Amino acid sequence: KAGVTQTPRYLIKTRGQQVTLSCSPISGHRSVSWYQQTPGQGLQFLFEYFSETQRNKGNFPGRFSGRQFSNSRSEMNVSTLELGDSALYLCASSHSGGLSYEQYFGPGTRLTVT
Amino acid sequence: ELKVEQNPLFLSMQEGKNYTIYCNYSTTSDRLYWYRQDPGKSLESLFVLLSNGAVKQEGRLMASLDTKARLSTLHITAAVHDLSATYFCAVATKTSYDKVIFGPGTSLSVIP
Repeated sequence: KAGVTQTPRYLIKTRGQQVTLSCSPISGHRSVSWYQQTPGQGLQFLFEYFSETQRNKGNFPGRFSGRQFSNSRSEMNVSTLELGDSALYLCASSHSGGLSYEQYFGPGTRLTVT
Repeated sequence: ELKVEQNPLFLSMQEGKNYTIYCNYSTTSDRLYWYRQDPGKSLESLFVLLSNGAVKQEGRLMASLDTKARLSTLHITAAVHDLSATYFCAVATKTSYDKVIFGPGTSLSVIP
């Protein structure tokens, strides 16, 4: 079974631009969560999608948005990039409703904002 | 709001020694996760603890959960260099098990 994939793996953007990151979950998983990891703030929950609906949201500004498609693939968008958005963005998929709710993480997208 | 704390944040230990990492959380939950992260890598799931008193072991690592004390421990037995990594605990909120809050991580360095 293929794991969680994220594209692109590395990205360099300029302040003010926008960016879209993609996550393909494990086949059969319908829940996709996004996290931001920075040295200063650690791992922070962004949002979680299930069956194309955002079910949970963390404390991030509206510049951070996401969506999920009918095949469970998810995209995350950050508009008007700021230097502080430089981070490793991780997505995780799970078989929501499964006994363990175990999350499987993708390799991450390293975003650098200059 | 659910908060997750870990201690210590940094741990340097000699090979062959035992040590425990502690994870405290602030509100009721019965789902706790332990992850390992190597530098520059993603997170690897170690344990999922689902009920009070749950104990799981894999190799030199053993995790336990006390939901009444809102405490989980990750015990390392006879540490080896390969265990050097950052260890995160994470707690799923009681209201929504798909919102997972992470602790700050414990950076473990095992010295030969």
